[in-house]
Amino acid sequence: GENVEQHPSTLSVQEGDSAVIKCTYSDSASNYFPWYKQELGKRPQLIIDIRSNVGEKKDQRIAVTLNKTAKHFSLHITETQPEDSAVYFCAASYGDGNKLVFGAGTILRVKS
Amino acid sequence: GAGVSQSPRYKVAKRGQDVALRCDPISGHVSLFWYQQALGQGPEFLTYFQNEAQLDKSGLPSDRFFAERPEGSVSTLKIQRTQQEDSAVYLCASSLSATGLELFGQGTRLTVV
Repeated sequence: GENVEQHPSTLSVQEGDSAVIKCTYSDSASNYFPWYKQELGKRPQLIIDIRSNVGEKKDQRIAVTLNKTAKHFSLHITETQPEDSAVYFCAASYGDGNKLVFGAGTILRVKS
Repeated sequence: GAGVSQSPRYKVAKRGQDVALRCDPISGHVSLFWYQQALGQGPEFLTYFQNEAQLDKSGLPSDRFFAERPEGSVSTLKIQRTQQEDSAVYLCASSLSATGLELFGQGTRLTVV
């Protein structure tokens, strides 16, 4: 089955700096890669996603890149703000119906 | 409704008790997923419905876990004879299509004592 590894497990950055979180996946058939932000005690919120026919996608301060050959994808947050502090999860689809396998999460702390 | 709604938000069950967790997906969403999220970990897939059909239940950890979506909208996850290891947040997600983006509910935090 699919396996997703996520690094780093914690990340501290200064406000205004960039943050990068990286994930690798094992199943070459995976074709959908969402990123979720989860604040303490709240639901995972979809912040950006990318499909395997695209190499990069950007939405304001957030961008995701995908390297299908290497089977890794990354989340880039620029000009970080304190409200970006949360746990970020990457995920990869597998099998039928878009089931998701999640990474273990990255705790992002933005220091002001 | 505006989003995926789950109830109850919190449930404390005595070991051995049966529980039922409810999920109201976004209206019109065909696909519905249940995930289990242990403390400090990412969500783990439990089961998946397309309309009323349960197409995949490979993630259900034991035969004590049962899910249904009889009319293709509301879904119920039932856990029989709860054990302490069942303590987790149970998340429901729905998507408009089989390949659409998944939107999560706020989850039900189950604590088995």
